[in-house]
Amino acid sequence: QKEVEQNSGPLSVPEGAIASLNCTYSDRGSQSFFWYRQYSGKSPELIMSIYSNGDKEDGRFTAQLNKASQYVSLLIRDSQPSDSATYLCAVRFGNEKLTFGTGTRLTIIP
Amino acid sequence: DTEVTQTPKHLVMGMTNKKSLKCEQHMGHRAMYWYKQKAKKPPELMFVYSYEKLSINESVPSRFSPECPNSSLLNLHLHALQPEDSALYLCASSQVSTVRYGYTFGSGTRLTVV
Repeated sequence: QKEVEQNSGPLSVPEGAIASLNCTYSDRGSQSFFWYRQYSGKSPELIMSIYSNGDKEDGRFTAQLNKASQYVSLLIRDSQPSDSATYLCAVRFGNEKLTFGTGTRLTIIP
Repeated sequence: DTEVTQTPKHLVMGMTNKKSLKCEQHMGHRAMYWYKQKAKKPPELMFVYSYEKLSINESVPSRFSPECPNSSLLNLHLHALQPEDSALYLCASSQVSTVRYGYTFGSGTRLTVV
């Protein structure tokens, strides 16, 4: 059973600070890792993908992957109130389906 | 065109009704998915179509019947649903031959069974 775990939160971060979201996965063979943002009542939106160990940056977002520790994280710099959402970590092994974590609810406090 | 379009956006149906949810994408993706999402829970996979053939059915009750008429369209036929089937139904699509892409989700259909 492939599992993806996230702290459900809520995680509260002051506006302008760095929000750090974490995800661990059980299957060492996992190859692709994704972060989705989901606003309440809306569908998930892909914001970051990462496949290799290390950091990947896109604007205010940085994804970090450590395959040895089976750990992937998302950093959001200069957090804005519009970043308040649920963040879903998703992991893909080969061509198999995405496995989602339970999501972390993030609240940015103005 | 990088969108997955779902219709209708909202649907209220009685337990004896028959209705269909529709999903369309023109990104050339050959894998399409139906997910069900309850409040404060992650999306839960229902069905996977790969090259228009059903490849995964996650033990979904037969009152849900998927159909993939062509590579761009995916339907979910609903019949004799229960109130607990009320949820957000999400369609998604992806490339088949590479692991390096996530799924693109549609905006969803909010289904209420009364």
